[in-house]
Amino acid sequence: EVQLVESGGGLVQPGGSLRLSCVASGFTFRSYEMNWVRQAPGKGLEWVSYISSTSEKTIYYADSVKGRFTISRDNAKNSLYLQMNSLRAEDTAVYYCAGEDSYDSSGYNPTYAFDIWGQGTKVTVSS
Amino acid sequence: EIVLTQSPGTLSLSPGERATLSCRASQSVSSSYLAWYQHKPGQAPRLLIYGASSRATGIPDRFSGSGSGTDFTLTISRLEPEDFAVYYCQQYGSSPLYSFGQGTKLEIK
Repeated sequence: EVQLVESGGGLVQPGGSLRLSCVASGFTFRSYEMNWVRQAPGKGLEWVSYISSTSEKTIYYADSVKGRFTISRDNAKNSLYLQMNSLRAEDTAVYYCAGEDSYDSSGYNPTYAFDIWGQGTKVTVSS
Repeated sequence: EIVLTQSPGTLSLSPGERATLSCRASQSVSSSYLAWYQHKPGQAPRLLIYGASSRATGIPDRFSGSGSGTDFTLTISRLEPEDFAVYYCQQYGSSPLYSFGQGTKLEIK
């Protein structure tokens, strides 16, 4: 079964840290470009961060988390991570990992869309 | 920064009816970079359409996407009970790398 499973969420005080993990199974993780997307309570989806599938590990962040969050991946462990530091109340959200299969039979052919998602892990930042 | 504005905010329809959802971009977006998702409470979002008009794997053909430039549309030709959900458009750009519209809630009338 193709799936992504997030973990690591929980309750943390403002200024604290959390590390989210996302484990992939059932597909070739190393071929997927990966992202974190979040949804605050009562709000829509917000893209958080991206990491490429390649060894160069191209990385991007939303301005709202730049300098505080760090995305990484370990293809040997089929895992994606998000280290979240200096957490704020506005970081409270369900965090989803989401992937894009950017390769097909002809090679690199990105769709610029997330065709696989996890169920999410909830992060609450509150004192 | 490209801003995506979806309309209407809420759409009330009955099963069997046709749904038309709009996504308007503040600047022109390449059709290759526009996607649509369905999101139900407590579930993972599901990719419906990529490249503005290509259906994702396993998506029924009652879902279709169209548009170009700044105006894009998701059409559900004949609503099934399981189609009532929140729908988001998304674009790939430069800064931020990806962005979503605020969503359209499709509810049962």
